[in-house]
Amino acid sequence: SQKIEQNSEALNIQEGKTATLTCNYTNYSPAYLQWYRQDPGRGPVFLLLIRENEKEKRKERLKVTFDTTLKQSLFHITASQPADSATYLCALLHNNAGNMLTFGGGTRLMVKP
Amino acid sequence: GAGVSQSPRYKVAKRGQDVALRCDPISGHVSLFWYQQALGQGPEFLTYFQNEAQLDKSGLPSDRFFAERPEGSVSTLKIQRTQQEDSAVYLCASSLGTSGLNEQFFGPGTRLTVL
Repeated sequence: SQKIEQNSEALNIQEGKTATLTCNYTNYSPAYLQWYRQDPGRGPVFLLLIRENEKEKRKERLKVTFDTTLKQSLFHITASQPADSATYLCALLHNNAGNMLTFGGGTRLMVKP
Repeated sequence: GAGVSQSPRYKVAKRGQDVALRCDPISGHVSLFWYQQALGQGPEFLTYFQNEAQLDKSGLPSDRFFAERPEGSVSTLKIQRTQQEDSAVYLCASSLGTSGLNEQFFGPGTRLTVL
């Protein structure tokens, strides 16, 4: 069966460190993978999109990698800040499923000062 | 202009009642999506509109769920004869174009609690 897995346990790190979140998937052929941030009581906010033929994408302190062989994406936040504390969701867009995004369960990140 | 808005923000319904949830997408956005998000889970796709056409409703969990976007802007998600398992946050998102590359902008959601 198709699965998108993110670590359901919260990730606690110290301010200034690099946070690394993992998204693994099985039985998908994603054309694109997106990362979203979600704060409590709010809708997800788009952060980055990476295509299947891209290995890495950067935006300010954010970096995303996409390994279609391992079927895994890693999401990094460098020089993390308490304001980065939120739930981070990965989402796949299939090659043959129109615009339908399939989301992982999200990982909660807590950055302590 | 303003982002995606949804109303009501919170809705409490007794089991068996019908509810209607409204979504106002960003003006000019062609694509509109509805998602259901259970507590501690990621959003799950319900349905997709391109203008007024409902192109994908494969995620609607039962025939009690119905969505419409009659004029290609505002959309309503209706749930008939609500059940406790319908309790969740219902998210609406819109995007400018029809490509999957387009960023989806989400509203704050409507939290539905069925007693």
